[in-house]
Amino acid sequence: DAKTTQPNSMESNEEEPVHLPCNHSTISGTDYIHWYRQLPSQGPEYVIHGLTSNVNNRMASLAIAEDRKSSTLILHRATLRDAAVYYCILRETGGNTGNTPLVFGKGTRLSVIA
Amino acid sequence: DAGVIQSPRHEVTEMGQEVTLRCKPISGHNSLFWYRQTMMRGLELLIYFNNNVPIDDSGMPEDRFSAKMPNASFSTLKIQPSEPRDSAVYFCASSLARAGRQFFGPGTRLTVL
Repeated sequence: DAKTTQPNSMESNEEEPVHLPCNHSTISGTDYIHWYRQLPSQGPEYVIHGLTSNVNNRMASLAIAEDRKSSTLILHRATLRDAAVYYCILRETGGNTGNTPLVFGKGTRLSVIA
Repeated sequence: DAGVIQSPRHEVTEMGQEVTLRCKPISGHNSLFWYRQTMMRGLELLIYFNNNVPIDDSGMPEDRFSAKMPNASFSTLKIQPSEPRDSAVYFCASSLARAGRQFFGPGTRLTVL
């Protein structure tokens, strides 16, 4: 799997938007960009994924650069419950990647201030 | 759906003892993964199964570790004998091949004294 680079930590005020960056300059054409997060004392949970176009779901938005060498996870309105470690992960193909493991980096630890 | 179920949630044992961790994947999922998380090494894959068959066990640290998946609804990870350096949180995850998303259990926190 291609590698990703994320800041070690970020801080946000509650109810403000948060933009979590991820660099993946060696991404291949078949790599999907996945985001997972891990809340304190819990297992990781899926957040969102995309290939080329920006994606939105109830949890977050994913903005993908035109050259696909970077992406940004956007939390539109951070809450205290969003404090977690966020992992940006590249996975080859999308439709049939349920049977391959995730390769976790160090992720970004997001702190939310009330 | 109850999600991925792991037991026990916490295990404290003494060095040299056998430890068995259990996982029940989400019904209908055909892939199962065992991960380990430590402060030093972060989250790392130990082994994974597709359709109950082990595909990659290169992450299993030593012969002391073994994993089985006798059927689609149950898997075990065994450590024999356990050592203090095995202390970690062990996560089980499952997924359905076409969906891509992995669903993680709550983890088992293992402490080996």
